[in-house]
Amino acid sequence: DTGVSQDPRHKITKRGQNVTFRCDPISEHNRLYWYRQTLGQGPEFLTYFQNEAQLEKSRLLSDRFSAERPKGSFSTLEIQRTEQGDSAMYLCASSLEGNTIYFGEGSWLTVV
Amino acid sequence: EDKVVQSPLSLVVHEGDTVTLNCSYEVTNFRSLLWYKQEKKAPTFLFMLTSSGIEKKSGRLSSILDKKELFSILNITATQTGDSAIYLCAVPLNSGGSNYKLTFGKGTLLTVNP
Repeated sequence: DTGVSQDPRHKITKRGQNVTFRCDPISEHNRLYWYRQTLGQGPEFLTYFQNEAQLEKSRLLSDRFSAERPKGSFSTLEIQRTEQGDSAMYLCASSLEGNTIYFGEGSWLTVV
Repeated sequence: EDKVVQSPLSLVVHEGDTVTLNCSYEVTNFRSLLWYKQEKKAPTFLFMLTSSGIEKKSGRLSSILDKKELFSILNITATQTGDSAIYLCAVPLNSGGSNYKLTFGKGTLLTVNP
């Protein structure tokens, strides 16, 4: 499969724990994005990388959230000291320059 | 404030019916509008529209953009149960020609009953 892949697909964690999600974009896509989606809402933009540079972060991304893309390929999204309000699906997407954005299957996070 | 509004929020039809989904937008520096289909997982790309009045078509799905009235419609003819999904409309914001920062509507939940 050559699409965007995300891992894990599902994560249940206790409040206060840290979680990390990984995203492998479509190869050769230089742009990588993270979005968050809650039930009944469309995805909301979190952050965006062009190659290894993080070019924009949404105000939704509090200090507990950090994203990296160290070699310009895969990316990680870490949430520290999780809260119940962090429960959502975290979507990764990639594109080549300004072309169509392709989404991964998402990582469901449930904070209990 | 930039926004994307979809209607209806949900729709139930029978197989074979034709449906029209609406998306209106208010954004600065409009470049394009995108439609995605989401079935319990990631959104899958359907169409990207940049020019008014030019219909894009893929099988039973078609879409058109009206930049004067600031809306787009997505039509699905001869619906099938496999069309049941959430249909999302999105517009890139302040993108300067790049489509990275998509603002999505809440989506239309379409249910097609046999």
